Amino acid sequence: DIQLTQSPSFLSASVGDRVTITCRASQGISSYLAWYQQKPGKAPKLLIYAASTLQSGVPSRFSGSGSGTEFTLTISSLQPEDFATYYCQQLNSYPEVTFGQGTKLEIK
Amino acid sequence: EVQLVESGGGLVQPGGSLRLSCAASGFTFSSYAMHWVRQAPGKGLEYVSAISNNGGSTYYANSVKGRFTISRDNSKNTLYLQMGSLRAEDMAVYYCARVGRMIAARYSYYYMDVWGKGTTVTVSS
Repeated sequence: DIQLTQSPSFLSASVGDRVTITCRASQGISSYLAWYQQKPGKAPKLLIYAASTLQSGVPSRFSGSGSGTEFTLTISSLQPEDFATYYCQQLNSYPEVTFGQGTKLEIK
Repeated sequence: EVQLVESGGGLVQPGGSLRLSCAASGFTFSSYAMHWVRQAPGKGLEYVSAISNNGGSTYYANSVKGRFTISRDNSKNTLYLQMGSLRAEDMAVYYCARVGRMIAARYSYYYMDVWGKGTTVTVSS
């Protein structure tokens, strides 16, 4: 099974900060990676797929990069509504997908 | 409006059974593969099961194989998850999700672009 490890698991930042979350795969997954945002009590929301393609309607301050085993999600200027938990997901072994453990982004 | 609405969750005793439903609207349900994903209290997301658009292919996580059955009725625009031999570790919010696909340079990139709000399964005596 392909394992995904996100770092950091917790991140404290301020409005306006630039933040980066990393997702590392236990083996190469090309660009078969997606990123989701989840707020408490809500369903996950797709942000990015194919490692770097922004989902329609998602603000351009979100961006994704990487391929192979290392990927990043960057938020260029944090907004109050961005404080949430972020998950990466590998789809290299689709339909049997796996998620990272999550990164909780909190207000400093 | 594109929408998925789960139902069927509730309290069940260990060893019991439950059937979850996911009603789809606003899109051509029969054109999309579907997934079930769960989230235990305070934990991350976990893949549970997947089904192809016509129901001909089904897949399961090892943790539920032999106990859960995924199915769909495209005439009713509904996805199902039949859950049996339930255990404490099956307690979670269960989400259904639509699978989208982008084709680029002959490669297919999948993603889960529409999610329901979830239904809660509690396993306790």
